[in-house]
Amino acid sequence: QQQVKQSPQSLIVQKGGISIINCAYENTAFDYFPWYQQFPGKGPALLIAIRPDVSEKKEGRFTISFNKSAKQFSLHIMDSQPGDSATYFCAPEGSNYKLTFGKGTLLTVNP
Amino acid sequence: DTGVSQNPRHKITKRGQNVTFRCDPISEHNRLYWYRQTLGQGPEFLTYFQNEAQLEKSRLLSDRFSAERPKGSFSTLEIQRTEQGDSAMYLCASSKQGTDTQYFGPGTRLTVL
Repeated sequence: QQQVKQSPQSLIVQKGGISIINCAYENTAFDYFPWYQQFPGKGPALLIAIRPDVSEKKEGRFTISFNKSAKQFSLHIMDSQPGDSATYFCAPEGSNYKLTFGKGTLLTVNP
Repeated sequence: DTGVSQNPRHKITKRGQNVTFRCDPISEHNRLYWYRQTLGQGPEFLTYFQNEAQLEKSRLLSDRFSAERPKGSFSTLEIQRTEQGDSAMYLCASSKQGTDTQYFGPGTRLTVL
């Protein structure tokens, strides 16, 4: 049973464009919704996270939108840059502190 | 600023051998996690420590796997009688009680021949 479904699997955007990655979850006990960024050969690193008491959070070029009723949240990367090329994971967490990762989205930003 | 460190970074072993990995968390982080990541997939939770107590283990953690954190600082993950299916990246993360952010190490890539 896949608790977290992430889409798309891969995404190619031009420099300066907007990248949008979506995550749907089933477990209503999740109460923390982070996005992680992973470069080849490195461990994942927290990019941005949101709690369910707000519907949107913005940090620089990165925005999380959260829809509790639909059990979905998304990552928007504005003005995408070649340095943003990486794999992105949604990884919601419940009260047990366990991150449940999606399968990842490989983002390629062409110069 | 020292992040989470893991050793070794790479390990190649033959099927049936035992291997042990080490994780040193960020100092003052009392929570430590182990995840496993296979190619093209997201990390999967294996186990979690709060201080020296192992509080949760995934059903992915078969009897061949054992993890310890004897003094609440570094942790070791041992795999006995390795199988080819154990080939993966083993990631360690740590966090501070009262915060949500888990900081990941660079991982140990295990290849079982």
